[in-house]
Formats: sequence, C-alpha cells, structure tokens
Amino acid sequence: SQQGEEDPQALSIQEGENATMNCSYKTSINNLQWYRQNSGRGLVHLILIRSNEREKHSGRLRVTLDTSKKSSSLLITASRAADTASYFCATDVQGAQKLVFGQGTRLTINP
Amino acid sequence: DAGITQSPRYKITETGRQVTLMCHQTWSHSYMFWYRQDLGHGLRLIYYSAAADITDKGEVPDGYVVSRSKTENFPLTLESATRSQTSVYFCASNRRMEETQYFGPGTRLLVL
Repeated sequence: SQQGEEDPQALSIQEGENATMNCSYKTSINNLQWYRQNSGRGLVHLILIRSNEREKHSGRLRVTLDTSKKSSSLLITASRAADTASYFCATDVQGAQKLVFGQGTRLTINP
Repeated sequence: DAGITQSPRYKITETGRQVTLMCHQTWSHSYMFWYRQDLGHGLRLIYYSAAADITDKGEVPDGYVVSRSKTENFPLTLESATRSQTSVYFCASNRRMEETQYFGPGTRLLVL
C-alpha cells in the first residue's frame, strides 16, 4: 500500500468552516510536505514540516506532525471557495532519495 | 521568469508510436522528476535526475526512457506507446532532493 495515505478521500464543507485532512505513513521520514492541486493544474507546494518539528503555520494553514504515530494533519481555517482543490501529502523517506505522494483528499467548499 | 514548462500540453497518439514529452526549467535546479497521475494511484514517480547525465528509475519506469544532456531540460520518451500509458504527466524540479518540488502544468496524453 502507499507510503502516504490521506484521509478522508473526499471532504465537502461549507464556506467559513474549518477543513482537516490527515496523512499517515509507514517508514521514517526526513520531512513531510503538503501540496495543493487545482483541477487540471500542476501541484503547488503549501508547507514543509521536518521530522523534528511538531507544528507549523502558514496563513490559514496549520500542519502538525506526530512521528510516533507516523501521521500528519493539515488544517485549513475559515475555508473559502478558492480552497476547493485536491490536497496531497508527500513524504521524504529516509534513504529513499525521492518523495512519495499519497492519493490525495478532494476538498470541496460549498458557498 | 518562466519557471518550469512542459510541452506539449495535450497529445493524442496511437499505440506503438514514439512520443517525447518535454520539460524545461529556468532555475538551474539540480533535480528533475517525471511523474504520472492516474485516478486511484495518485502521483507515481517514473524517473528522476540528480544532475546532467545522471538519471535513475522511480516506481514505474517500464516503457519510458529519459535523458538529461543539459541541466535545464529533462525529456521523457515513450518508445512504443501503449494504452496503459494514457495519463497526465507532470515534470518537477528542485535544488536538493529533500526540498520543495516545483511542478509544471502537466501534459495530458491519450494513447488510442
């Protein structure tokens, strides 16, 4: 199965609500990254959290990392219609020399 | 500042034909990557390159060939296209393997 697995696969919320997406992985990592993909476009980097960090913020984004549970969460606060996209976690696996992407969470923000 | 570009953006070809997808970056990034994105599989790494003339296989390299004679270009060739290679292909680059990757806009390939 995938190194990084997002949960849920799809999420639909009302504008203004908070959205939380989770990512689980299997092996030790150097860092974990979150990307956003708008329909028909390439991926855009959102935030990178290193294995020795527990929480990071960037604007309305908050990422947590729990290396003991091998999991991460992405919280988007005060969601907007423009946040509608797919969100992917990617793990930089120790010794693997590559990023491994999960299958993504499709987020829909309803006006 | 063009960043990272891919061409063509859309391509229709027939089974058995050779197809080359181009990727060009203007940042002089050392690392470049090719991914394919399919429903149910997310992004899967095809090949990557750490520098000019250095390439290595990713998760799904069969049926693909890459080269990197210049730092800024990383073409991906399907030597004999098959229907299973119908996909969206993304190129990406970064300065160091563990850093943020910057993605191109993608190439949608349909093999008939």
